[in-house]
Amino acid sequence: GENVEQHPSTLSVQEGDSAVIKCTYSDSASNYFPWYKQELGKRPQLIIDIRSNVGEKKDQRIAVTLNKTAKHFSLHITETQPEDSAVYFCAASFNQAGTALIFGKGTTLSVSS
Amino acid sequence: DVKVTQSSRYLVKRTGEKVFLECVQDMDHENMFWYRQDPGLGLRLIYFSYDVKMKEKGDIPEGYSVSREKKERFSLILESASTNQTSMYLCASSLMGQGEQYFGPGTRLTVT
Repeated sequence: GENVEQHPSTLSVQEGDSAVIKCTYSDSASNYFPWYKQELGKRPQLIIDIRSNVGEKKDQRIAVTLNKTAKHFSLHITETQPEDSAVYFCAASFNQAGTALIFGKGTTLSVSS
Repeated sequence: DVKVTQSSRYLVKRTGEKVFLECVQDMDHENMFWYRQDPGLGLRLIYFSYDVKMKEKGDIPEGYSVSREKKERFSLILESASTNQTSMYLCASSLMGQGEQYFGPGTRLTVT
């Protein structure tokens, strides 16, 4: 079945630095790749997503890139702030409708000021 | 604003008990999902449903069943709870054809 690997599991950066989280997936039929942010004690929330017909998408300080050939996608956060500290999950769809997801194991990002 | 609610925030049950976790969404979403979240393991899909009375197995369906009698409600059932089912359970919903999933607040289940 579909498998999603996420690295690193923990990431510590200084405020203002950039952070990059990488994921690889196994199913070449996957067509939807979202990223969720989960703050401590809260529910996961979508921060950005990308579909397989797009190579890159940006929303203010966050961007996602997708390499379909290599089956990997990455989250880039620039000018990190303490409020970016959270657990980030990548995911890849595994059904034809693109609605059911397999999640990576998560990356704990700590931004120190 | 999408609202996904779960019946309990915290639940303590005994080994062997039958446990029902309820999830309700108020945005007429077709898709509903049940995940469990464990430290270091991320979110693992247990079951999902794309329509009333329809269900599909996720990654870890063993020991669980689900029920979807109404569009807005998706129940997770632990037929005979075991200690290895102690976990945080998250429900989510999404519109057909839309990828974004909206999560509930979670139910922390402890089986003793």
